Amino acid sequence: RKEVEQDPGPFNVPEGATVAFNCTYSNSASQSFFWYRQDCRKEPKLLMSVYSSGNEDGRFTAQLNRASQYISLLIRDSKLSDSATYLCVVNKGGRRALTFGSGTRLQVQP
Amino acid sequence: ETGVTQSPTHLIKTRGQQVTLRCSSQSGHNTVSWYQQALGQGPQFIFQYYREEENGRGNFPPRFSGLQFPNYSSELNVNALELDDSALYLCASSPTGGGANYGYTFGSGTRLTVV
Repeated sequence: RKEVEQDPGPFNVPEGATVAFNCTYSNSASQSFFWYRQDCRKEPKLLMSVYSSGNEDGRFTAQLNRASQYISLLIRDSKLSDSATYLCVVNKGGRRALTFGSGTRLQVQP
Repeated sequence: ETGVTQSPTHLIKTRGQQVTLRCSSQSGHNTVSWYQQALGQGPQFIFQYYREEENGRGNFPPRFSGLQFPNYSSELNVNALELDDSALYLCASSPTGGGANYGYTFGSGTRLTVV
């Protein structure tokens, strides 16, 4: 079983749609949680950190459920520029390595 | 614009050869990690350096080795290249003391093809 699991997609949605991605992690010692965005053939870029209280950044909302070991990302009012792969990432804290899921591909269509 | 630069951007090597990939981190970022990303997969942790010493390693064989220098640059060396080593190699750095709690900054990567 992979340490971080994501639905690979692709998710094909029209512009303006709301789309949600889910992710589960197996290591209960995980302390930090992130969503990264990766465009085709580019490096991953931090989209947002994820906190237990939930956090929002514009059209993006992230949630963490530690009891269920579940992380989500909600994108509202999808734009064409949101088309990318979204990587769920966990970390055991401090200077430890990041563990990535395989990513969920989003394609927003006009 | 990323503060982490990697070179070269692309590289083609023959099976059995050795390769050195380079990374220059942002000033003050004393933690650097290397990741391997195969096509269609998420990045996989190779190893991490902190203050010029390896302080974590993923499930990669010893033919993957590294160095970190006082000027925050680092190298990834791979010996006896295999076809499966073909991947995007990413360098990531983080600020002093912050570690992954602040999110790492990735370089644009080196795409290695082994033929």
